Amino acid sequence: AQSVTQPDIHITVSEGASLELRCNYSYGATPYLFWYVQSPGQGLQLLLKYFSGDTLVQGIKGFEAEFKRSQSSFNLRKPSVHWSDAAEYFCAVGGMDSSYKLIFGSGTRLLVRP
Amino acid sequence: SQTIHQWPATLVQPVGSPLSLECTVEGTSNPNLYWYRQAAGRGLQLLFYSVGIGQISSEVPQNLSASRPQDRQFILSSKKLLLSDSGFYLCAWRSQGTLNQPQHFGDGTRLSIL
Repeated sequence: AQSVTQPDIHITVSEGASLELRCNYSYGATPYLFWYVQSPGQGLQLLLKYFSGDTLVQGIKGFEAEFKRSQSSFNLRKPSVHWSDAAEYFCAVGGMDSSYKLIFGSGTRLLVRP
Repeated sequence: SQTIHQWPATLVQPVGSPLSLECTVEGTSNPNLYWYRQAAGRGLQLLFYSVGIGQISSEVPQNLSASRPQDRQFILSSKKLLLSDSGFYLCAWRSQGTLNQPQHFGDGTRLSIL
């Protein structure tokens, strides 16, 4: 069965420090992978997506993610975190059927220390 | 450009009352449409999706129903709300027929059941 695991429920980093949020997926074929960010009380905003090609993808707000097929991972990174990055981050995997459904991980809440 | 609107933004309803949440998309035609629920501190659960007018697929059996009376209108309903229906409801759309497109989310409706 398709699934997405985000093993870290909460992560706290200091402002200016680097960040890596982990995501592992289980999918029978080549997955489409996404990272979304959600500020409190808001909808989800797309940070970046991977479909094919270069396994290191760049997104908005200075984020990047690397697809590693051998590890079934799609970790999100940022070299220097800003206080405004405090939010909840969701990894999602999607398939190629006509529904284009997404399966989401349970999310990682990022707290930023000043 | 495409936009998605959800209303109301917040709603407080008594147990046993009916529900109608509306979602509309502008700037695109024949989108795939999705309803998700996000319980407090939890990830996103797909409730319904639609690939066309009048076509509804239910992902989980529950007290809710969905309808798509027009191409860009998606409605989430209930005849009698339960306490367990509380949560944050998100609508999303996606272009059909294009593989490399993500889902785009509305700002959500916070539903509290008393």
